[in-house]
Amino acid sequence: DAKTTQPPSMDCAEGRAANLPCNHSTISGNEYVYWYRQIHSQGPQYIIHGLKNNETNEMASLIITEDRKSSTLILPHATLRDTAVYYCIVRVDAGNMLTFGGGTRLMVKP
Amino acid sequence: EPEVTQTPSHQVTQMGQEVILRCVPISNHLYFYWYRQILGQKVEFLVSFYNNEISEKSEIFDDQFSVERPDGSNFTLKIRSTKLEDSAMYFCASFRTPATNEKLFFGSGTQLSVL
Repeated sequence: DAKTTQPPSMDCAEGRAANLPCNHSTISGNEYVYWYRQIHSQGPQYIIHGLKNNETNEMASLIITEDRKSSTLILPHATLRDTAVYYCIVRVDAGNMLTFGGGTRLMVKP
Repeated sequence: EPEVTQTPSHQVTQMGQEVILRCVPISNHLYFYWYRQILGQKVEFLVSFYNNEISEKSEIFDDQFSVERPDGSNFTLKIRSTKLEDSAMYFCASFRTPATNEKLFFGSGTQLSVL
């Protein structure tokens, strides 16, 4: 699986958009970008995933660059409850597992 | 949304004792996983299980560990003789299939403390 690089921490003001970057410059054509988050020591929670096109769901938007070497997770209106560690993971289509890196610790501040 | 259920939420044991951590994956899921997270560290893959056998395992998953699906609903992780360094949060996860557009669902974890 391709390796990902994320900033170790970020701050965001409550109510503002949180933009979390991820670099995956060695991604190959059949690898998906997945985003999960972990609040305190709870189980990782799925947020969104995509291959080439931008994706949006009720939680977030995922913007993938045209060359697919990087992506950005956008939480449009961050709340205090969005404070968590966010993991960007790339996974081979039909790959058997997800490999977690260090993630980005997002702190949403009032 | 469907849930992966883990029991117990906390388990305290003495070093050298056997522990069994239990998981009920989502009912139509076929691929099952155990991950662990030592306090302050990354979430680490331990083992994947499909069709009643181990598909992949990490270096962490040594002879002390075993997994089983004893019936149609439960998926267990056994640690035969616990060590202090086994203290961690253990997460069970499941996929319906690991194919395109599938999500890996995680349980809320079992905190194992080895004294």
